[in-house]
Amino acid sequence: NAGVTQTPKFRVLKTGQSMTLLCAQDMNHEYMYWYRQDPGMGLRLIHYSVGEGTTAKGEVPDGYNVSRLKKQNFLLGLESAAPSQTSVYFCASSYGGNYNEQFFGPGTRLTVL
Amino acid sequence: GQQVMQIPQYQHVQEGEDFTTYCNSSTTLSNIQWYKQRPGGHPVFLIQLVKSGEVKKQKRLTFQFGEAKKNSSLHITATQTTDVGTYFCAGPATSGGYNKLIFGAGTRLAVHP
Repeated sequence: NAGVTQTPKFRVLKTGQSMTLLCAQDMNHEYMYWYRQDPGMGLRLIHYSVGEGTTAKGEVPDGYNVSRLKKQNFLLGLESAAPSQTSVYFCASSYGGNYNEQFFGPGTRLTVL
Repeated sequence: GQQVMQIPQYQHVQEGEDFTTYCNSSTTLSNIQWYKQRPGGHPVFLIQLVKSGEVKKQKRLTFQFGEAKKNSSLHITATQTTDVGTYFCAGPATSGGYNKLIFGAGTRLAVHP
């Protein structure tokens, strides 16, 4: 039981490049989330999904897209990376909504030059 | 918009001293969750409080939920070096879509041996 896994762990991009971050969970959770963490700003929600085939915008969705084609996977895409997207990205999943704990992945450290 | 604020932003203590972090919400919360993130790690769920005035203990950690359900606190008695990390509180969003949490910016705790 691996929990929540994220790939890659580290990535360096040049401005304008694109990439996809993959999140996978093996807990059969319905809900999945993508956060970014910047110094002094806590965790900010980018996009989330309440089930396979659904996605919704969070607090800071601009510049990102997501897809949830399979229940266990949640992909975060950056179409044209910008230096402002340099951050640590965490994926999380939960069984249900707000009354359920979220399980976080190990994170992806992304640097955009 | 809805805000969850934490103070202090940073605190360092001598090992054995007590520590308290406070969380305040701009709206009444149905529940509040607390997470801990070790340096270089990912957030890990600690506890959830649901009832007005609720107090829960986990060994040296005491969690309280305010009577008005707009504030919460985490108190650590006799800190140890293993307590080092950032402590986040999180409350459910009350507008703009549900099934998501709003995280505070966190309190970073340093413990000097």
